[in-house]
Amino acid sequence: NAGVTQTPKFRILKIGQSMTLQCTQDMNHNYMYWYRQDPGMGLKLIYYSVGAGITDKGEVPNGYNVSRSTTEDFPLRLELAAPSQTSVYFCASRRQGLNYGYTFGSGTRLTVV
Amino acid sequence: AQSVSQHNHHVILSEAASLELGCNYSYGGTVNLFWYVQYPGQHLQLLLKYFSGDPLVKGIKGFEAEFIKSKFSFNLRKPSVQWSDTAEYFCAVNHDAGNMLTFGGGTRLMVKP
Repeated sequence: NAGVTQTPKFRILKIGQSMTLQCTQDMNHNYMYWYRQDPGMGLKLIYYSVGAGITDKGEVPNGYNVSRSTTEDFPLRLELAAPSQTSVYFCASRRQGLNYGYTFGSGTRLTVV
Repeated sequence: AQSVSQHNHHVILSEAASLELGCNYSYGGTVNLFWYVQYPGQHLQLLLKYFSGDPLVKGIKGFEAEFIKSKFSFNLRKPSVQWSDTAEYFCAVNHDAGNMLTFGGGTRLMVKP
């Protein structure tokens, strides 16, 4: 049982490049989330999904896109990378019912130069 | 919009000292409350949670938190910290059984041996 797996762990992008951050969970969780973590700012929600085929914006969706074609996968797409997107990105998932809390991935550290 | 405040951004303690980290939230309705911990280089892990019942909840590793509804607070405590408690601590709130958590900005705790 791997939990939530994120790839890559580290990445350096040039301004204007695009990339996809991968997130996969093997717990059959319906709910999946993408957060970004910036120093002193806590975690800000980018996008979330309540099930395959359903996604919704969080607090800071601009510059990002997501898709949820399967229960397991929830990739985050950056189309035109900007320095403001330099951050640590965490994917999380949970089953139905918040009582179970979130399971987080190990994060992707992205630097845009 | 709901907000979560953690007023102590950095805390430095010696081993065996007592710990209290503050957390206040802004929402006046039904809330579910969480504390997460992030050890250096690792992902977030659930410390404890409050949904209902006894407002004093106990979590892993000797941590506890008290929900005081009148003060909109959910402070984290530990009677005697250890060097291994060095980490960043995040308070998070879900309101009205919604789909997402709102996180505070985090408190970075350093315990000196």
